[in-house]
Amino acid sequence: ELKVEQNPLFLSMQEGKNYTIYCNYSTTSDRLYWYRQDPGKSLESLFVLLSNGAVKQEGRLMASLDTKARLSTLHITAAVHDLSATYFCAVVVRLGGYGGSQGNLIFGKGTKLSVKP
Amino acid sequence: NAGVTQTPKFQVLKTGQSMTLQCAQDMNHNSMYWYRQDPGMGLRLIYYSASEGTTDKGEVPNGYNVSRLNKREFSLRLESAAPSQTSVYFCASSEVRGTKNIQYFGAGTRLSVL
Repeated sequence: ELKVEQNPLFLSMQEGKNYTIYCNYSTTSDRLYWYRQDPGKSLESLFVLLSNGAVKQEGRLMASLDTKARLSTLHITAAVHDLSATYFCAVVVRLGGYGGSQGNLIFGKGTKLSVKP
Repeated sequence: NAGVTQTPKFQVLKTGQSMTLQCAQDMNHNSMYWYRQDPGMGLRLIYYSASEGTTDKGEVPNGYNVSRLNKREFSLRLESAAPSQTSVYFCASSEVRGTKNIQYFGAGTRLSVL
C-alpha cells in the first residue's frame, strides 16, 4: 500500500523566514504533484515533478524530487502572508492498486502553513 | 473558463436520504474523479472514470455509486446517506495524454449528514 507522509502537518512562520515542507512516499512512483488549497476553496496545481533531480520554482516556492530517497521537498523562501494555505503533495500509484493505466493520486494529509507578520 | 463545475455547493441530508452530486468539465478531458476530504486527511479517491463509458472503484467506494453520463459529466450518488459520509467532496478531471496528467479540481460540495 502506498503511503504518503508530509511533515510538518502544521507550520507557523514569520514573514521573511525560510522553511521546508517534506513529503515522503513508500513505493516507487514516476510523478509527484504539489497542490495548494486556500480555506474553503478547491485545490490548485503548483508543480509537477517528473524525474529524479527535478526542480521547479515559482516565485517564493521551489519544489524538488529525489526518487531514490522517495522524497520531495517544498521550500519556502522569505515567506509572505499570501502564502498562508494548506499544501498537499500527491504521488501517482499504478501497479497493484486501483490506478488503471494512467495511475491515480495518493495524497498526503497536507501541511497547514500560517505566515504571520 | 469554467473548468470543473460542481453542484450543489452545500447540502444537508438526513440519515437514509439519497442524493446525487453533479460534476461537469469543459476541458474535453477523458478522465474524471471523485474524492472526499475529511478534516486532517488528504483527499481520498472514491471512484474514477478513465474514459467515457468506464468507471472503477478507488480507495473508499463503499456507500457510493457513479455514472459517467457522457464525456463532460460524472455524477456521484449516495443511495442511503450515513453520518460517516459527512465530508467535502471534490470532482476532478485530467487529460491522460502527455506526461503531466495534471488533475483540475472543482470548488467542492460540502455535505452534512445528520
